[in-house]
Amino acid sequence: QKEVEQNSGPLSVPEGAIASLNCTYSDRGSQSFFWYRQYSGKSPELIMFIYSNGDKEDGRFTAQLNKASQYVSLLIRDSQPSDSATYLCAVTGYGGSQGNLIFGKGTKLSVKP
Amino acid sequence: NAGVTQTPKFQVLKTGQSMTLQCAQDMNHNSMYWYRQDPGMGLRLIYYSASEGTTDKGEVPNGYNVSRLNKREFSLRLESAAPSQTSVYFCASSAQPLAGQGTYGYTFGSGTRLTVV
Repeated sequence: QKEVEQNSGPLSVPEGAIASLNCTYSDRGSQSFFWYRQYSGKSPELIMFIYSNGDKEDGRFTAQLNKASQYVSLLIRDSQPSDSATYLCAVTGYGGSQGNLIFGKGTKLSVKP
Repeated sequence: NAGVTQTPKFQVLKTGQSMTLQCAQDMNHNSMYWYRQDPGMGLRLIYYSASEGTTDKGEVPNGYNVSRLNKREFSLRLESAAPSQTSVYFCASSAQPLAGQGTYGYTFGSGTRLTVV
């Protein structure tokens, strides 16, 4: 049974700070890693994906992947109140039915003005 | 660009009633999915369709059936609703991964809030 673990939070950071969200996964065969943002009452929205070890940057967001440690993180620089949401980590395996995403339960982020 | 469209957005059912949740995507995606989201449980896969003409069970399929009507449409049916099926239901779609690559991310619909009383 594949598992994806996230700290449920809430994680509270002041405006302008760096928010660090963490995720661990159980299946060493997982190939693809995603971060979704979900505002209250809304559907998940894809914000980052990463396939290779190392860092991937997109604007204020940086995804970090360490397959040896089975660890994925999301850094949000210069956090804004509009970043307040639940962040879902999702991982999957390789193609076919293993391509289905397994989601963590999410970390609730609160950015205080 | 409509993306993934789900209907209805809200529904209240009495125990034992049946209903079908509709989902359609206009992105020419091969794969479609139905998830339910419950407080403290996260998103759990009910059924998926890797391509037109195929459907498979996910983590929590009991009490549900699905139909992949064509490449665009994937419906979820509750034959005899139970209070335990009170949840938010999300449909999602994704492109078929190319050989040697991992899965592409999903695009989600806006969800259906279902209450069974």
